[in-house]
Amino acid sequence: ETGVTQTPRHLVMGMTNKKSLKCEQHLGHNAMYWYKQSAKKPLELMFVYNFKEQTENNSVPSRFSPECPNSSHLFLHLHTLQPEDSALYLCASSQDPRPSSSGNTIYFGEGSWLTVV
Amino acid sequence: TQLLEQSPQFLSIQEGENLTVYCNSSSVFSSLQWYRQEPGEGPVLLVTVVTGGEVKKLKRLTFQFGDARKDSSLHITAAQPGDTGLYLCAGGGYNFNKFYFGSGTKLNVKP
Repeated sequence: ETGVTQTPRHLVMGMTNKKSLKCEQHLGHNAMYWYKQSAKKPLELMFVYNFKEQTENNSVPSRFSPECPNSSHLFLHLHTLQPEDSALYLCASSQDPRPSSSGNTIYFGEGSWLTVV
Repeated sequence: TQLLEQSPQFLSIQEGENLTVYCNSSSVFSSLQWYRQEPGEGPVLLVTVVTGGEVKKLKRLTFQFGDARKDSSLHITAAQPGDTGLYLCAGGGYNFNKFYFGSGTKLNVKP
């Protein structure tokens, strides 16, 4: 139990569907992240939120729409995805989005495995 | 190019063997983390190192942060099949505004 909970753990959706991934952190952190991990690529940062404000969008296509209503919750809304979007989507949180010598550390959820058919 | 280079990319060994994986950068890091990830799961934090030259032990795992804070190593003694997974290093420097991840070392320990 890392303190970061993701739902659903597995999702299969058609290319015309609309679905959402949900993340909740119980660590009192201020920063939250979405990462994408596929079999053939290393971990890719998608979005960063700090105190509910988006601070980074790593050139992510608009078919992925994040939402951060408060510092504890993060959503990823999915619409008209492509089969190549199938991947493990990881939510994470940290006290601060910047590394520091005080040991600021990112904690991950268990991931949502997405399959687009 | 990756800010953090991990080596080797793949490692397949027999149970009981020792191994070392490396995480190198040309930049100075304020802190560095090591994670282990099993297939279909999220990365789980193993350790955070913050002081140059620091050595931390977690049972059979020994983590070292280089004196110059540009590199780190993870040594596993008497590897077991349960050590199988993807090992990721991550960190950032004093002037960085975000965390960077290495591409990982995929370890397979055969019984």
